[in-house]
Amino acid sequence: GNSVTQMEGPVTLSEEAFLTINCTYTATGYPSLFWYVQYPGEGLQLLLKATKADDKGSNKGFEATYRKETTSFHLEKGSVQVSDSAVYFCALSGNAGKSTFGDGTTLTVKP
Amino acid sequence: NAGVTQTPKFQVLKTGQSMTLQCAQDMNHNSMYWYRQDPGMGLRLIYYSASEGTTDKGEVPNGYNVSRLNKREFSLRLESAAPSQTSVYFCASRFKPGQNTETQYFGPGTRLLVL
Repeated sequence: GNSVTQMEGPVTLSEEAFLTINCTYTATGYPSLFWYVQYPGEGLQLLLKATKADDKGSNKGFEATYRKETTSFHLEKGSVQVSDSAVYFCALSGNAGKSTFGDGTTLTVKP
Repeated sequence: NAGVTQTPKFQVLKTGQSMTLQCAQDMNHNSMYWYRQDPGMGLRLIYYSASEGTTDKGEVPNGYNVSRLNKREFSLRLESAAPSQTSVYFCASRFKPGQNTETQYFGPGTRLLVL
């Protein structure tokens, strides 16, 4: 079956530091890949997505590139802010639109 | 648009009690989902409904039942709650169930504590 493996957390960074959260996947067919973000006490919301190989998703300074050769979709941001503190989930959507989520990575950004 | 709404936000139950979690969406989405979120385990699919009138089991369906009441509403029922069902429950929806490019939209969650 499909699976998503995320970098284990928690991750603690200082403001303006560079962020990378690793995500690798296994899937049959041609999945779409997503990063969702969950702020404290809220549901998940889409951060960015990529629907085919070599696509780059980007939003709010975050980026991730769909790498089929390495089955990866790593999340990056050049300069994090305190407001980026949240839990980040990597997910894939495969055949019939069923989604598989990673375990989540908690990011804390300190001023 | 309210998006996806869930009630209640928080509930405490005793072992053996029953309850229904309600979910509604106003985005005219066809498919709806129930997940549970446990620490360090991401989201696990309990049940889903690809379209009005259909429901299917997900990864962890035992101890739960669902009803797709109409296109807008999808409820999750615990017939006899157990402490292992203590979790945060999220409802989600998507416009086209078979399209893997589509984003899921999530509700704010229901925190359930079973004593």
